[in-house]
Amino acid sequence: EVQLVESGGGLVQPGGSLRLSCAASGFTFSASWMSWVRQAPGKGLEWVANIKGDGSEKRYVDSVKGRFTVSRDNPKNSLYLQMDNLRADDSAVYWCAKYSGSYSFENWGQGSLVTVSS
Amino acid sequence: DIQMTQSPSTLSASIGDRVTITCRASQSISYWLAWCQQKPGKPPKVLIYKASTLESGVPSRFSGSGSGTEFTLTISSLQPDDFATYYCQQYDSYPITFGGGTKVEIK
Repeated sequence: EVQLVESGGGLVQPGGSLRLSCAASGFTFSASWMSWVRQAPGKGLEWVANIKGDGSEKRYVDSVKGRFTVSRDNPKNSLYLQMDNLRADDSAVYWCAKYSGSYSFENWGQGSLVTVSS
Repeated sequence: DIQMTQSPSTLSASIGDRVTITCRASQSISYWLAWCQQKPGKPPKVLIYKASTLESGVPSRFSGSGSGTEFTLTISSLQPDDFATYYCQQYDSYPITFGGGTKVEIK
């Protein structure tokens, strides 16, 4: 059974940094694209970033380019999202998801809440 | 960027009703469209991918159709568990984009 468990969310001041983690199990992590998707309170879904299985390819939504970095540690079956220079509009629930070009977002974690506020 | 426009944004329906949600892409995405269902406080759940392929375990009352720029999600007979928000999402090209969502409410 695929399991994705996010951690690392919390309250941070504007301009601050936070690192989200996602522990994966139940599938061949190193062979899988992974994603981060977010949802601001009361708003719709927004894709944030994708990373290829070997980490060689990364894609970002324009609004986070230069501020967020997606990475992975395949031996640890872990996905990360380093978020720097955070803004109030980055406040959201962040999910990690297993992604494929055929199925799109196949599996989702339970989410991690990030609140950016002074 | 490809814009995804869903309609309606809110839909009031009764148990047993046939419900149709429309999604339009600002340019052709072939069949690279997924539909997901989200309930409050929960992550989205994929219902349909490649425009019309039903995800394993999803009830057959859900169906998807369309290609290019026009897509529909149909629930043939609305059940109590179906009251939720539905999103379309294109994965033809980056950035991956979602529609604004359709909230299905009890009439």
